[in-house]
Order: sequence, then structure tokens, then C-alpha cells
Amino acid sequence: GESVGLHLPTLSVQEGDNSIINCAYSNSASDYFIWYKQESGKGPQFIIDIRSNMDKRQGQRVTVLLNKTVKHLSLQIAATQPGDSAVYFCAENPTTSGTYKYIFGTGTRLKVLA
Amino acid sequence: IAGITQAPTSQILAAGRRMTLRCTQDMRHNAMYWYRQDLGLGLRLIHYSNTAGTTGKGEVPDGYSVSRANTDDFPLTLASAVPSQTSVYFCASRPYSANTGELFFGEGSRLTVL
Repeated sequence: GESVGLHLPTLSVQEGDNSIINCAYSNSASDYFIWYKQESGKGPQFIIDIRSNMDKRQGQRVTVLLNKTVKHLSLQIAATQPGDSAVYFCAENPTTSGTYKYIFGTGTRLKVLA
Repeated sequence: IAGITQAPTSQILAAGRRMTLRCTQDMRHNAMYWYRQDLGLGLRLIHYSNTAGTTGKGEVPDGYSVSRANTDDFPLTLASAVPSQTSVYFCASRPYSANTGELFFGEGSRLTVL
């Protein structure tokens, strides 16, 4: 079956260091892979996405890497700040007959240490 | 501010009662989704709608129904609530033909079934 999983449930990072959050996926027929950030008591917030025909995409302080060979997705956050503390979800968008049904991973909690 | 509005924010419900969670978006997005979020299980898709007048089942549809009479509204109904439906429910939307994987989420409805 389809699944999207995360290697680490909790990640603690010193403020100013870089963070790397990893994700494994199992469905090869996805056109988008997406990262979301969720702060306590709020809805998920889009961070960045990457299309399946790309290996890397950069945003502001964030980089997403996609390795289709091993079905691995990662989110890199540069110079981690206290405001980055949240739960991060990866998601994939399997495309079947044009239907978009996103599948989310279970989440990784990022804790930024002062 | 444009976005997705969910109501109620929080509700305690007796088992066996009927409940409708409301979701309204003013972005004219074609596709809408309902997810439930449970600790350790991430976000799981309940039902979705690619466009007004159509709906589809997600990963965990049993015990839930939806309707999509127009573009803006996508209510989720629990016909006879059970304790296992205690969860946080998120509504989301996206433009169907968007060149992005981004989903726009509401702030969630926390439902407790006793």
C-alpha cells in the first residue's frame, strides 16, 4: 500500500545550526512532494514543494532534496531559529486518473534549543 | 483575509449524536479535502471533492459523509458519532489546475465524542 514515513519522530537542534528532516515514501507515481509546518493549535502551513522531475529546490532558508532512487525526501533548514520549532510533515501527491489525494507522513517534531 | 474558515473550533459531543463540521473557502478553489489528525498517525484523508458536485472517498471514509453543492462549502457530517471519531479535523483546498502541490488548510475543528 501507499505510505509516507519519517525516520525521526523528534529532532533537537541548537539555534543557529542547520536542521535536516528526513522522509521516506513508497509511491513512485507522485508528481509532487511537499513539506508542511504545523505549529501547536494551528493548521498545517505549506513550506515548499518539489516536482518529481526535480532533485533539489531552494526557498528562503529551506532546501528540499528528492532522491527518487531510494525514495527519500529531506528538508534542510538553514540557521535554525526558535520560530522554526514545530512539527514538520512530508506529503506526497499520487496522481491516479487525475485525482489529487495527498498522503501525509506521521510528522517530526523540531525543537530549537537556545 | 481570504482563506478557509472552519466551524466549530471545538465541540464535545455525546456518542450517537449527529454532527456537521462546516468548511467554507473564499479562494474559489476547485478541490477541497477533509483530513483527521490523530497523534502518531499524522493526517489521514477522509473525503475529498475535485470540483463542485463531485466527491470521493479517502483513506478513512467510514462513518463520515460529505457534500459539495457549490464551490465554497464542503461540510463533513458524522451521522452517529462514536468515540473513535474523537480527533482534530482539518479542511483544506487547492486550485485544481495549480502548478503547485500546495494545500491551504483551515485552523481545525477539535471534536471530542464521549
